[in-house]
Amino acid sequence: DAGITQSPRHKVTETGTPVTLRCHQTENHRYMYWYRQDPGHGLRLIHYSYGVKDTDKGEVSDGYSVSRSKTEDFLLTLESATSSQTSVYFCAISETRTGNYGYTFGSGTRLTVV
Amino acid sequence: DQQVKQNSPSLSVQEGRISILNCDYTNSMFDYFLWYKKYPAEGPTFLISISSIKDKNEDGRFTVFLNKSAKHLSLHIVPSQPGDSAVYFCAASAVGSGNTGKLIFGQGTTLQVKP
Repeated sequence: DAGITQSPRHKVTETGTPVTLRCHQTENHRYMYWYRQDPGHGLRLIHYSYGVKDTDKGEVSDGYSVSRSKTEDFLLTLESATSSQTSVYFCAISETRTGNYGYTFGSGTRLTVV
Repeated sequence: DQQVKQNSPSLSVQEGRISILNCDYTNSMFDYFLWYKKYPAEGPTFLISISSIKDKNEDGRFTVFLNKSAKHLSLHIVPSQPGDSAVYFCAASAVGSGNTGKLIFGQGTTLQVKP
């Protein structure tokens, strides 16, 4: 999607290894989010950020950490990957706190933990 | 605790007919509702939204209806087209004062429109 990119697009990693996913935006939006998509669960919020160095936990934050040292970058780290973290990860950005204009999502990162 | 529920995992309709996708929510603090559409290997894209002060919002072939007393909303697509085949997510947020405004999503409904 224009203005927001995720990297890598695909990754296979081994259980127990650390993994970092990157979300980069060029829209200068203050609000950024990490979601994971799993069958039967839809999209679930992992962590979110309201600004540089201002982050908070979502509904499924265990095993994940985030960092935002610049407005444009929001990193998601799996400290020690487990098979239950195999999923598709989406980053989203929002111009407003309330998201009432809708979030803009990236194209996703498909992560497989073997 | 699923606060936003889409109880139909899939829906199949004929081209030209109406598609109705349903969504229920449990949190009475939710006051803003959105629908997203997702194609395979792409991120979700915003489709249409509705505030709790309204009971209907229309945008071309897409109409969202909100029944606050029943905590239920629906998305109507008329007429349905093959290009509408996708996964549809319902989402809700509490945007009022003091609320965080985070979007909570349902499980998604896969719509197939047959030519």
